[in-house]
Amino acid sequence: KNQVEQSPQSLIILEGKNCTLQCNYTVSPFSNLRWYKQDTGRGPVSLTIMTFSENTKSNGRYTATLDADTKQSSLHITASQLSDSASYICVPLVNAGNMLTFGGGTRLMVKP
Amino acid sequence: EPEVTQTPSHQVTQMGQEVILRCVPISNHLYFYWYRQILGQKVEFLVSFYNNEISEKSEIFDDQFSVERPDGSNFTLKIRSTKLEDSAMYFCASSEDRVYEQYFGPGTRLTVT
Repeated sequence: KNQVEQSPQSLIILEGKNCTLQCNYTVSPFSNLRWYKQDTGRGPVSLTIMTFSENTKSNGRYTATLDADTKQSSLHITASQLSDSASYICVPLVNAGNMLTFGGGTRLMVKP
Repeated sequence: EPEVTQTPSHQVTQMGQEVILRCVPISNHLYFYWYRQILGQKVEFLVSFYNNEISEKSEIFDDQFSVERPDGSNFTLKIRSTKLEDSAMYFCASSEDRVYEQYFGPGTRLTVT
C-alpha cells in the first residue's frame, strides 16, 4: 500500500531561522514527488515537483531534496518568515497514475 | 494568473440530501480532480477525470458520488445522499497533463447536519 510518513508532525521555530522537514514514502512505481504548502482552510499550493532523476530543486527560500533509492525527501526552508506558518505536505505520484497520495504534513509555526 | 475556482465556499445540508459542488478548472487544463479533507486529517484523493470519463477513483468514491463536466467550463461533484461523515473540505484541482502540477481551488466546506 502506498504510504507517506512525514516528520516532525509539528515544529515551532523563530523567525529568521532555518528548518528541514522530512518525508519517507513507499509509493511504487514512482513518478515524481511534490511538496505542497497548505495554509489553514485553504487549498494546497505547489512548491516543487521533482522527478526520479532530480536530487535537488529550489524555489526561492525552499529547497527540496530527493533520494529515490532510499525513498526519502526533505524540504529545507531558509530564513523563515511569519508567512511560512502552514502545513507542508509531501506528495508522491505513482507512475502511470494521477492519484496524489498526501502525507499527513508537518505543521510549521514561525514565531516572531 | 489563472486559477481554479469553487462554489459555494460553504454548504450546509441535512443528512440524506443531495449536494452538488461546483468547480471551474483552469481553461487549458485537461485533467480534473476532486479531493477531500476531513477536519484535522490529511487530504484524500477521490477521483480524477479525463476526456469526459473517470480515469481513477479511490475507495472513498462509492456509488453515492458522481462527477460530471456538464459544459466546457464546469466540473461538478455530486453526493446523492449525504451522511454526517461526508462533512469535510472538498478541493477541486486541475492540471495540463497527468504528471504536471495540479492546481487546487480554495475548497468548499461541506457541513452535514
